[in-house]
Amino acid sequence: SQQGEEDPQALSIQEGENATMNCSYKTSINNLQWYRQNSGRGLVHLILIRSNEREKHSGRLRVTLDTSKKSSSLLITASRAADTASYFCATEGYTGANSKLTFGKGITLSVRP
Amino acid sequence: NAGVTQTPKFQVLKTGQSMTLQCAQDMNHNSMYWYRQDPGMGLRLIYYSASEGTTDKGEVPNGYNVSRLNKREFSLRLESAAPSQTSVYFCASSSRGGLQHNEQFFGPGTRLTVL
Repeated sequence: SQQGEEDPQALSIQEGENATMNCSYKTSINNLQWYRQNSGRGLVHLILIRSNEREKHSGRLRVTLDTSKKSSSLLITASRAADTASYFCATEGYTGANSKLTFGKGITLSVRP
Repeated sequence: NAGVTQTPKFQVLKTGQSMTLQCAQDMNHNSMYWYRQDPGMGLRLIYYSASEGTTDKGEVPNGYNVSRLNKREFSLRLESAAPSQTSVYFCASSSRGGLQHNEQFFGPGTRLTVL
């Protein structure tokens, strides 16, 4: 069963606007990651935030983590048409040789030119 | 570096046929994974290999077998394909070890249709 649940399921915005996507999870985590998937392609890792971190930035990406609410958000600022893709959150419960990622169902982002 | 490569890219099978999906990575990663992606379901882990010589079941292993041939290669076999196995299959790898986090690198996927 999926650990992460993204919200909304689909998002459509105008180029230049900010896009905010949310992820909630159920059990304690070691870290949370966001991935992007362009149509017909594999997933690409965007950013990782550890359980002891509250906010992290990478270029136009900002991710926050609230472990008390078991939730994370991904903000893409000044969106571009090229940001059109599906976005997935993934949680890792612990670090160790057998650790695995549990993915959510994804958010479809459409950025209109 | 090619990263993670998968063959074939597309495949159509008839019910009951068998096939092997191939995956290779050139990043010297310890861990490798097989996922399936179905509409509205996200990614579900089929099998994984934490290191060369080991394999373990994931969330949906029934109907599949895997082989970690060496550190580079991890294959997924469907012994008797069923229509329910129609899906897109992704292989991934990660550099696991010690306290390293499990950031995964994905291949381009294999689109499998079982008639």
